[in-house]
Amino acid sequence: ELQLLVSGGTLVQPGGSLRLSCAASGFPFSNSAMTWVRRAPGKALEWVSTISGSGDNTYYTDSVKGRFTISRDNSKNTLYLQLNSLRAEDAAIYYCGKGGSGSYWYFDYWGQGTLVTVSS
Amino acid sequence: DVQMTQSPSTLSASVGDRVTITCRASESISRWLAWYQQKPGKAPNLLIYKASNLESGVPSRFSGSGSETEFTLTISSLQPDDFATYYCQQYNTYPTFGQGTKLEIK
Repeated sequence: ELQLLVSGGTLVQPGGSLRLSCAASGFPFSNSAMTWVRRAPGKALEWVSTISGSGDNTYYTDSVKGRFTISRDNSKNTLYLQLNSLRAEDAAIYYCGKGGSGSYWYFDYWGQGTLVTVSS
Repeated sequence: DVQMTQSPSTLSASVGDRVTITCRASESISRWLAWYQQKPGKAPNLLIYKASNLESGVPSRFSGSGSETEFTLTISSLQPDDFATYYCQQYNTYPTFGQGTKLEIK
C-alpha cells in the first residue's frame, strides 16, 4: 500500500528554522518526483517546491526561494523540506505529494499534512 | 502566475443530484489540469488529470472536460461520500490551484 507519512511540523518563532520529513513506502521512491504543497488558514493550496526523482533538479515558488530547501534521501525513501528564516505567512499545513504518471506537476498521492505555526 | 478561478465557491446539493464545478484559467493551459477532492482533516485526493482522465480507483460518476481556459468537473449522481471541497490545479506552468468549491448537503 502506498503511504506518505509527514512529520516535523511544530510551533516556531519568526526567523526560526524547521525541517519537515515525508517518509514514503509502497512505490519506487527514486523514480518519482516529489513535491511540497501548503495551505495557509483561509487560503488556497499553494505549490511550494518540487524535486526530481534523482534529486538533481529542484524548483521553488518565488516566496520561498533562498529560505527553503527541498531534498531527498532515496536510500531512506524520505523527502525533506528545510524551512529557514520563517515568516508569519509561512504558517500552514504542509503536504507532500507524489508526482503523477509521467509528470512532475500533478500529484497522484498526498501525505496527510503537518502543521507549521509561526508565532512569537 | 496562472490564476485559477473556481465557481461557485459553495454549492448546496442533494444526494442523487448532478453537479458541475467550473474552473477558469487566466491564460491558456491546454489540457494540463487536475481536479482533487479534499475532506476535513484529510489530504487531497486526485480525481482527474489532464482535464478528463479519470484516476484509477475513482468512481465513474466523476468526469472532467474542457481545454485552454475553461474546465468543468461533473458528478453525475451525488453520493453521500462526495460532500467535500474540490480544487482544480493547472500544471502548464508551475502549479497553481483554484480557491476551492465546498460541496454541501442541501
